[in-house]
Amino acid sequence: DAKTTQPNSMESNEEEPVHLPCNHSTISGTDYIHWYRQLPSQGPEYVIHGLTSNVNNRMASLAIAEDRKSSTLILHRATLRDAAVYYCILRDGGGSNYKLTFGKGTLLTVNP
Amino acid sequence: NAGVTQTPKFQVLKTGQSMTLQCAQDMNHEYMSWYRQDPGMGLRLIHYSVGAGITDQGEVPNGYNVSRSTTEDFPLRLLSAAPSQTSVYFCASRTSGGAGTQYFGPGTRLTVL
Repeated sequence: DAKTTQPNSMESNEEEPVHLPCNHSTISGTDYIHWYRQLPSQGPEYVIHGLTSNVNNRMASLAIAEDRKSSTLILHRATLRDAAVYYCILRDGGGSNYKLTFGKGTLLTVNP
Repeated sequence: NAGVTQTPKFQVLKTGQSMTLQCAQDMNHEYMSWYRQDPGMGLRLIHYSVGAGITDQGEVPNGYNVSRSTTEDFPLRLLSAAPSQTSVYFCASRTSGGAGTQYFGPGTRLTVL
């Protein structure tokens, strides 16, 4: 199974950019990189995903290394509401019946 | 769309009791799954289903049963509750395919005494 490695925790100040790293050196060529986050006392929610190219959406940007062995989730201006656990996940399994395996993620603290 | 709904939100059981956690989705998703999350931990996959009538085991299936008689519903049954099953349970659903976004329910907080 392809695995990911993330820092246990990170800290940021409000309105500053945040770069959350993820290493996935055993990623296979067809694995998508997914990011989810979990706000306190809530279920996880989708943030962004990508395959090879960098991706942007209203929540964040995803920068994927050229060799795809690492990626970075970028929050352009952190707010207090972005304080959450962020999970970097690789698709686990082939075809359409893959599983998403969650690790411990990165706990992001945003200081006012 | 209501998305993924779970009932109940909270439940307290005594050791040995059985119960069913309900999960429903109205997005016509083929894939549904159950996770548990213990304090300070990530989510662990219990069981999953790739469509009505098809279920399979995840990482921690012991002590739990599932069935999938319809696309919409995916109940999780605890056969004989144990204190080790005290946890928060999340149900999720998604479309098939490599880019499918997974939607999670709000969770059920279960305490087994």
